[in-house]
Amino acid sequence: DGGITQSPKYLFRKEGQNVTLSCEQNLNHDAMYWYRQDPGQGLRLIYYSQIVNDFQKGDIAEGYSVSREKKESFPLTVTSAQKNPTAFYLCASSIDTEAFREQFFGPGTRLTVL
Amino acid sequence: AQRVTQPEKLLSVFKGAPVELKCNYSYSGSPELFWYVQYSRQRLQLLLRHISRESIKGFTADLNKGETSFHLKKPFAQEEDSAMYYCALSSTNAGGTSYGKLTFGQGTILTVHP
Repeated sequence: DGGITQSPKYLFRKEGQNVTLSCEQNLNHDAMYWYRQDPGQGLRLIYYSQIVNDFQKGDIAEGYSVSREKKESFPLTVTSAQKNPTAFYLCASSIDTEAFREQFFGPGTRLTVL
Repeated sequence: AQRVTQPEKLLSVFKGAPVELKCNYSYSGSPELFWYVQYSRQRLQLLLRHISRESIKGFTADLNKGETSFHLKKPFAQEEDSAMYYCALSSTNAGGTSYGKLTFGQGTILTVHP
């Protein structure tokens, strides 16, 4: 099963620790995205990257960081500065950032802060 | 700022009945609108987009710019339509260059009873 993979599926973290969520795609897509999903709030964009070595803040970037050193990889770090990190995190990719493009989603990572 | 509203968190219908999932948006530019669906234990995936003007799995959605709506409709619901449905809007910047950033509504859980 190709496409987008996210690991791990479940992640537990103690307060005050940074944690990195993995996202890999083999679709040769230029654009990649990170969303956060909370009950009753839909999905909210954290960061996105239009191309390798470039990324932009989304609507809720505070407390998060990303890197895009390779086309196929877009890891998200949840830092200790993120006040409410417990959530379901979804990674997505698209061919490019044209507005009409379909985004392809990974299976998600559920992060729980203990 | 753009906003997408799905007024119904839950929607229940019986098999064979018509179904309409409501979506309203606010956006100053020319919108690109989508419906994404998440079936149980599956990934979030594109159902349809207004630019394609197509019917997928019997669903259609018409963009009504006057009412700023993009309601999803199906004349005869099936049990396999039970899922979470998200309406989403893709934004462009002031110069018309696309971002590909999606703004999601809160989602509607559709349950089709036998």
